[in-house]
Amino acid sequence: ETGVTQTPRHLVMGMTNKKSLKCEQHLGHNAMYWYKQSAKKPLELMFVYSLEERVENNSVPSRFSPECPNSSHLFLHLHTLQPEDSALYLCASSPSDSSGANVLTFGAGSRLTVL
Amino acid sequence: GQNIDQPTEMTATEGAIVQINCTYQTSGFNGLFWYQQHAGEAPTFLSYNVLDGLEEKGRFSSFLSRSKGYSYLLLKELQMKDSASYLCAVKDSNYQLIWGAGTKLIIKP
Repeated sequence: ETGVTQTPRHLVMGMTNKKSLKCEQHLGHNAMYWYKQSAKKPLELMFVYSLEERVENNSVPSRFSPECPNSSHLFLHLHTLQPEDSALYLCASSPSDSSGANVLTFGAGSRLTVL
Repeated sequence: GQNIDQPTEMTATEGAIVQINCTYQTSGFNGLFWYQQHAGEAPTFLSYNVLDGLEEKGRFSSFLSRSKGYSYLLLKELQMKDSASYLCAVKDSNYQLIWGAGTKLIIKP
């Protein structure tokens, strides 16, 4: 256990479904992140929240919608996804959203398959 | 553009030593990280280098040369549990993390 919990661990959905990924951290961190991890590709930063405010959105398609209701919880709402969105979605948290030695603590990820 | 290069896959023998290289071209530099990721698990932090030189942590060491844009992760006395992917990441001048695609390390008995 890293202190960052993601649910569900596995999700299969059709292109017309709506689903949500959930992330919870018990580390008292102020920043939370969503990353996309595809096989043999670098981690892609999707969203960053600092003190519950979105500070970065790396040109992510609108079919991905984040929500951060408080500093401990982060959601990724999914709708009308495409097969190329199939990937491992990682949530991470850190003490702050910048500074040099800001270590990320990751969850184990949600493996998403879009049919 | 910004780029991190590391080998896709490496194989080593239990008990041996392996060095995983990482080269980077980024807009500025504010530190280099190594993370370990076992299959199906969360990436976990291994090391952080911001100054040139070698940082040692038990069986793992990480080296940085900022002038060469180069780092390596050295794993000694390899154990089967070291089979994992190793991710290199650099913080650029805007404190954005730039990630490599990871190196899958396979340990054979």
